[in-house]
Amino acid sequence: NAGVTQTPKFQVLKTGQSMTLQCAQDMNHEYMSWYRQDPGMGLRLIHYSVGAGITDQGEVPNGYNVSRSTTEDFPLRLLSAAPSQTSVYFCASSPVGLMNTEAFFGQGTRLTVV
Amino acid sequence: AQSVTQLDSQVPVFEEAPVELRCNYSSSVSVYLFWYVQYPNQGLQLLLKYLSGSTLVKGINGFEAEFNKSQTSFHLRKPSVHISDTAEYFCAVSDHSNDYKLSFGAGTTVTVRA
Repeated sequence: NAGVTQTPKFQVLKTGQSMTLQCAQDMNHEYMSWYRQDPGMGLRLIHYSVGAGITDQGEVPNGYNVSRSTTEDFPLRLLSAAPSQTSVYFCASSPVGLMNTEAFFGQGTRLTVV
Repeated sequence: AQSVTQLDSQVPVFEEAPVELRCNYSSSVSVYLFWYVQYPNQGLQLLLKYLSGSTLVKGINGFEAEFNKSQTSFHLRKPSVHISDTAEYFCAVSDHSNDYKLSFGAGTTVTVRA
């Protein structure tokens, strides 16, 4: 029962570096999303996807790119990391037929940009 | 988009005492309401959800919440907490006006002391 798997769990980047946070789910969910969690701000939606080949921006999309080539995978790319992107990132998935009636979350990736 | 307010950022409570975590959301015709729990260094886990029907919702680990449409509230309660309930709790809302994307509150940290 893997559920939603995120890699890596921890990452330190230098300003200006790029990297990809990986997210995979094995529940055949159509809907996937990325959030960032910052102290006192809860979770904010970065990007989401309602199915393979379809992505859209959330509340805080700047500095991040996504793609959805398969149902299972939804990677998040940081093109040029900035200290403001230091955060904990969560990937989530849910069945599109129920449209967010329950989201399943990964364990998170703690990213530090120095 | 929905606005979600968790009225308490920190709630210290003694073991076996009751706890109530307050959540208010901005008005909407039809909403789905959720409470998620995040244990230290873990992802979010669904505690309970309100989709329709009875306004009193029971969840896992002895938690319950009451949907009050007139007060636009969804407060979480537990009659007797355990040390293991120490965690951060998030209220979340989705509705049709925002394509059912989840909006999260800032979170409430519950610390249970012996």
